[in-house]
Amino acid sequence: DAGVTQSPTHLIKTRGQHVTLRCSPISGHKSVSWYQQVLGQGPQFIFQYYEKEERGRGNFPDRFSARQFPNYSSELNVNALLLGDSALYLCASRADRGAKNIQYFGAGTRLSVL
Amino acid sequence: GQSLEQPSEVTAVEGAIVQINCTYQTSGFYGLSWYQQHDGGAPTFLSYNALDGLEETGRFSSFLSRSDSYGYLLLQELQMKDSASYFCAVRGGSQGNLIFGKGTKLSVKP
Repeated sequence: DAGVTQSPTHLIKTRGQHVTLRCSPISGHKSVSWYQQVLGQGPQFIFQYYEKEERGRGNFPDRFSARQFPNYSSELNVNALLLGDSALYLCASRADRGAKNIQYFGAGTRLSVL
Repeated sequence: GQSLEQPSEVTAVEGAIVQINCTYQTSGFYGLSWYQQHDGGAPTFLSYNALDGLEETGRFSSFLSRSDSYGYLLLQELQMKDSASYFCAVRGGSQGNLIFGKGTKLSVKP
């Protein structure tokens, strides 16, 4: 079975532009979460979606938005990019059942804003 | 608010034992997880504690004391491949989402 897949792997944008990042969860996983990881820091929670509904939102501005599709894949959109948005963006999926709440992460999209 | 504290760096030699501590503050608590991340890689799940006590998985063990808001990850028989960053993460708050610490960079020397 394929793991969590993210695209693209790398992206270079300039300030003010818009970006869309994509994520496909592990087959059978209905929950997708997005994280931002700045170099040298831990992943910071942005959004969680379950069954196409937003179930959690971290402390990020409204420039960040996301959605989940009927096939449980997800997109993260960031508008009006700032230099500080440069980071590794990680997507994670989780199975419905399982007390351990294990998050399975994709390899991430590295975004550079110039 | 929610916060987690863990040491920023730890160095140990091959074959040794190392303990990485984590203290947390959260308004709600559902469990403490540990993830490993190699440079350039994705975080991968190591261990989870929802109740007090020790959980053992091979060379790795994790401990939780809910009354002390404290946990640790114990790595035994260290190998060079264990050189990585280790993150504690709390599932807490009103939404039960995963909040990560800043990570501990472990360097294993020969």
